[in-house]
Amino acid sequence: QVLLVQSGAEVKKPGASVRISCKTSGYSFTNWPIHWVRQAPGQGLEWMGEINPSGGATTYAQKFEGRVTMTRDTSTSTVYLDLNSLKSEDTAVYYCARGMGILIIHFDSWGQGTLVTVSS
Amino acid sequence: DIQMTQSPSSLSASLGDRVTITCRASQTITKYLNWYQQKPGKAPGLLIYAASSLQSGVPSRFSGSGSGTDFTLTISSLQPEDFATYFCQQTFSTPQTFGQGTRVEIK
Repeated sequence: QVLLVQSGAEVKKPGASVRISCKTSGYSFTNWPIHWVRQAPGQGLEWMGEINPSGGATTYAQKFEGRVTMTRDTSTSTVYLDLNSLKSEDTAVYYCARGMGILIIHFDSWGQGTLVTVSS
Repeated sequence: DIQMTQSPSSLSASLGDRVTITCRASQTITKYLNWYQQKPGKAPGLLIYAASSLQSGVPSRFSGSGSGTDFTLTISSLQPEDFATYFCQQTFSTPQTFGQGTRVEIK
């Protein structure tokens, strides 16, 4: 079955960087984009961007432009999210999700989430 | 950015009740609308995509309708496992945006 398994929780200081991995299995890695969504404590869902594993093309939400980088490793079917210049407001659970659909994109499989805590 | 507004923000209902949640987009999104269910401490799960298509494995008591700017998620007969938070999402344009969520609680 389709699985997305994320790396473990992180605690970072303000100004630091964090890398989260999302290892996929159970389907053809290059067929579908991977999206990143975050959720601050007690808050809603916020889309951060996506990466096309086939060629590596990325689209980022304007809010994160310049601070976020999404990459992929096709040899291990893994996608990475790098977020730098961390602030306390970046404390959240970060999810990767597979984007299905040719016309109407929908997220049919999600990782388990990675809690990132930013605190001095 | 397209704003997605859900109503109500929370509701209390009893087992067996029919529950309706509304999602309104700030501009037309045709049928580019998905619904997710999230339980505490868990990742969201897809219920409905393209406004009215039921995701494989999701019980038929869940249904979606609407197009343009106004959409509805209906649970025909509320079950114990349905107490959760529900989010709508538009994928018509980037950035994709979510509603603020509707929390369904036990009355």
